[in-house]
Amino acid sequence: QQPVQSPQAVILREGEDAVINCSSSKALYSVHWYRQKHGEAPVFLMILLKGGEQKGHEKISASFNEKKQQSSLYLTASQLSYSGTYFCGTPRGNRDDKIIFGKGTRLHILP
Amino acid sequence: KAGVTQTPRYLIKTRGQQVTLSCSPISGHRSVSWYQQTPGQGLQFLFEYFSETQRNKGNFPGRFSGRQFSNSRSEMNVSTLELGDSALYLCASSAWANTNTEAFFGQGTRLTVV
Repeated sequence: QQPVQSPQAVILREGEDAVINCSSSKALYSVHWYRQKHGEAPVFLMILLKGGEQKGHEKISASFNEKKQQSSLYLTASQLSYSGTYFCGTPRGNRDDKIIFGKGTRLHILP
Repeated sequence: KAGVTQTPRYLIKTRGQQVTLSCSPISGHRSVSWYQQTPGQGLQFLFEYFSETQRNKGNFPGRFSGRQFSNSRSEMNVSTLELGDSALYLCASSAWANTNTEAFFGQGTRLTVV
């Protein structure tokens, strides 16, 4: 079961904040976030691990709520370069299973 | 250090044909995963190879197959192509099969079936 992302799309002006949510129907062991710009390959942003350890980006933060089985990605004071589609990924089954991704959230930043 | 290389970048095939896509991972990476990306469906996992062995498989029909060579390069084959197979096929490499490892994606192969 792939994770569910919300919203599906969002349009912001430069400098505004954005929150992208990722929910799973099963226990979360880790959450992976990637960004894909139009016509480019997805690029790693960060991994959040059960227990609170976070690895990744300096300017974008995320939370990991094990109890609610969800993660949120926070884009503060968004820049034009933040535009793209954001994907969250979670292990398909147990913690060592393959990562499967949500359908993505399209973020468009206007000047 | 060179990134993940996928060839060809674009491909047009007719229904019923078969196709082979290639992926060269980052040097030293032993894990290669394949994904199908279509509008509105996100990244659908196809399969993962690690040290020449298929480690994980997604929910795709048997027409989709893959393999990995001793140099970690991987190929994906789709037989008896259908119109619905038109998609961007992405390959991702990582150093290990550990799921807590960053994956590096290639630019993808855009397959169009007519």
